[in-house]
Amino acid sequence: GENVEQHPSTLSVQEGDSAVIKCTYSDSASNYFPWYKQELGKGPQLIIDIRSNVGEKKDQRIAVTLNKTAKHFSLHITETQPEDSAVYFCAATPLGGSYIPTFGRGTSLIVHP
Amino acid sequence: NAGVTQTPKFRILKIGQSMTLQCAQDMNHNYMYWYRQDPGMGLKLIYYSVGAGITDKGEVPNGYNVSRSTTEDFPLRLELAAPSQTSVYFCASSYETGAYEQYFGPGTRLTVT
Repeated sequence: GENVEQHPSTLSVQEGDSAVIKCTYSDSASNYFPWYKQELGKGPQLIIDIRSNVGEKKDQRIAVTLNKTAKHFSLHITETQPEDSAVYFCAATPLGGSYIPTFGRGTSLIVHP
Repeated sequence: NAGVTQTPKFRILKIGQSMTLQCAQDMNHNYMYWYRQDPGMGLKLIYYSVGAGITDKGEVPNGYNVSRSTTEDFPLRLELAAPSQTSVYFCASSYETGAYEQYFGPGTRLTVT
C-alpha cells in the first residue's frame, strides 16, 4: 500500500517568514495530493490540492509543488501570520484501486508574533 | 448546510463498555469515512462506505463496526472498549472518492479507562 512520509513534525517560525513542509510517497499510482489544515479542536480542512498533471499550484500565500519523478511534494506558506499556526497534513491518493487517500503524520506549525 | 456533524464531542468509557459514535452529513455525499487520530500518528482509516448498504475495512478496523443504512448517517460502533481505543475520532464525507475533497466533522474525543 501507499506510504507517506511528512517532515518536519514541528516547525517554528517568526511572523513574516516562509514555511515549507515536505512529503514523500511510495506508490507511483498516486495522482492526487491534497493538503489539510487542522486548527486546535477542529477537524481538518482542505486548503490546497494538486493533481499529477500539474507541477505547481498557488493560492495567495500558499503554494504546492509536485515532483512525480522523485515522488515528493511540498507546501509553501509565505509571509506567515499567527493564524497560520495549526497542524498540516499531506495526503496521497491513488486514482485506482481503493481511491482512498493515505495521510502523512502531520506537521505542527507555530508562528510566533 | 451543517456539513458533517458528530456526537458526542467528548466521552469517557470504562474498559469493556460499548458505545456508538454518531456521524451525519447533509451534502448528499456518497462516500463516508471514519478515522482515528493519535498524537503524532496522523489520520488512520478505520472503515469507509461508498454508499448506503456498502462498507469496507480500512487500515485499523479491529474492535470497531459500522453500518450505513442511509446516505446521511454512518455510525461507528465500539464493542468491548479497550484503552488502546483512546483517541480522537473523525468522520468525513466526500462526493466521490479519488480526487475529491474530504469534509471532516469536528471530532469526538474518547477516553477509555
